[in-house]
Amino acid sequence: QKEVEQDPGPLSVPEGAIVSLNCTYSNSAFQYFMWYRQYSRKGPELLMYTYSSGNKEDGRFTAQVDKSSKYISLFIRDSQPSDSATYLCALTNAGGTSYGKLTFGQGTILTVHP
Amino acid sequence: NAGVTQTPKFQVLKTGQSMTLQCAQDMNHEYMSWYRQDPGMGLRLIHYSVGAGITDQGEVPNGYNVSRSTTEDFPLRLLSAAPSQTSVYFCASSYSETSGSLGELFFGEGSRLTVL
Repeated sequence: QKEVEQDPGPLSVPEGAIVSLNCTYSNSAFQYFMWYRQYSRKGPELLMYTYSSGNKEDGRFTAQVDKSSKYISLFIRDSQPSDSATYLCALTNAGGTSYGKLTFGQGTILTVHP
Repeated sequence: NAGVTQTPKFQVLKTGQSMTLQCAQDMNHEYMSWYRQDPGMGLRLIHYSVGAGITDQGEVPNGYNVSRSTTEDFPLRLLSAAPSQTSVYFCASSYSETSGSLGELFFGEGSRLTVL
C-alpha cells in the first residue's frame, strides 16, 4: 500500500465549477500537508500549506485536513481555465531533516474548459 | 535570481551510457534533492542532501549517484543508463527547518530523459 493515495483523475469541469481534489495517507507521522500545482512541462509550485486539522483558505482555494481520518482535500471555487494543471498533494514528517523530503501523491490532472 | 536551474532540458541516451544531470540554485538553500516523475507515480525521491558534503538516499536511489561539493550545486549521475530510467527528473531546494521557513520546495523546470 502506498503511503499516499491520490485520485489520479483526470478531471474535466466547466468554467465556474467547484473542484474537489483528495488524498488519503497511512502514516500518522505526517504532520505537514501541502498542495503543489504543476503546469504542463514545468516544475511543481507550492499552492497551499497546512499543518493542523481544519480548513485554510486562500482566495478561491481551500485546503482541508482531517488527521483523524488521514484525509486531505483541496477545493477550488469558481474554477478558471488558468487552473488547468496537475495538482499534487505532498506530505512530510515534522522536524529533523524531514524538510525537503516530501512524499507525493500520484497527482490529479485537472482541465477547466470555457 | 534564477532559482533552480537544471541542464540539460532534454537528453536521449542508449542503454549502458552514462551522463550527469546538472542542478544549481542561487537561493543559498541548505537542502537539495532529486525527484523523478513517472506517469501515475507522482514524484519519488531519489537522493537528498542537507548541506555540502552530506548526501542520503531516498526512495529510489539504485542506479544513481550524487555528490554535494558546494552549497549551490547538486549533480545527479547515471552510471549505466537503463530503459527503466526513462523519466522526467526534477531538482529541488529548500531552506532547513532551523531557518524558520515552512520547508517549501522550489523546483527546477525538469530534465526529460529517454533511454533507448
